[in-house]
Amino acid sequence: DQQVKQNSPSLSVQEGRISILNCDYTNSMFDYFLWYKKYPAEGPTFLISISSIKDKNEDGRFTVFLNKSAKHLSLHIVPSQPGDSAVYFCAAIDVLSGGYNKLIFGAGTRLAVHP
Amino acid sequence: SQTIHQWPATLVQPVGSPLSLECTVEGTSNPNLYWYRQAAGRGLQLLFYSIGIDQISSEVPQNLSASRPQDRQFILSSKKLLLSDSGFYLCAWSVGGGGYGYTFGSGTRLTVV
Repeated sequence: DQQVKQNSPSLSVQEGRISILNCDYTNSMFDYFLWYKKYPAEGPTFLISISSIKDKNEDGRFTVFLNKSAKHLSLHIVPSQPGDSAVYFCAAIDVLSGGYNKLIFGAGTRLAVHP
Repeated sequence: SQTIHQWPATLVQPVGSPLSLECTVEGTSNPNLYWYRQAAGRGLQLLFYSIGIDQISSEVPQNLSASRPQDRQFILSSKKLLLSDSGFYLCAWSVGGGGYGYTFGSGTRLTVV
């Protein structure tokens, strides 16, 4: 059973417009979330994160919003640029016994930003 | 600074052959280490994680195994590959407990033919 879900496998946006990538989770114990960006044949790179004590975190063109009651988060990219074209993964930290953690990833959303 | 090395970058192996993928981390001590797989058209699935030497936890039953013979070395192995083992394998490390994300290696594209 998927605990982190990205229901849109792909998204196409025009350059300069806003890209909104969505993510839902089922485990209410998750309290830290991350977004990763992945280019083909490369490892994912960290983009932005948010703790459950916040509902918004902003870093330049990237903003992540968290709605705990709805178990939903979203990544906004404004303005979108062609270099943003990649697969974006939403992830939640699952804290294991002993304080160690593992990341639970969604299936990813492929963003295409076209001129 | 910390770096993670993963090799080889690509690998084509026949069905039934063995597999060994290696991952090493530099610049940190006692990292948590992870093996993930991205199958075609799918997300990132955690295969194994390790919190210390010879301490390996398996997430899903499968045809693969992992070992950690040294603090900063993590190896993914198989005795006999299956076609379904094809995918993009990623090693990652993290330090400490919850609240920190991972740093991923550059990945290995495995094709089993």
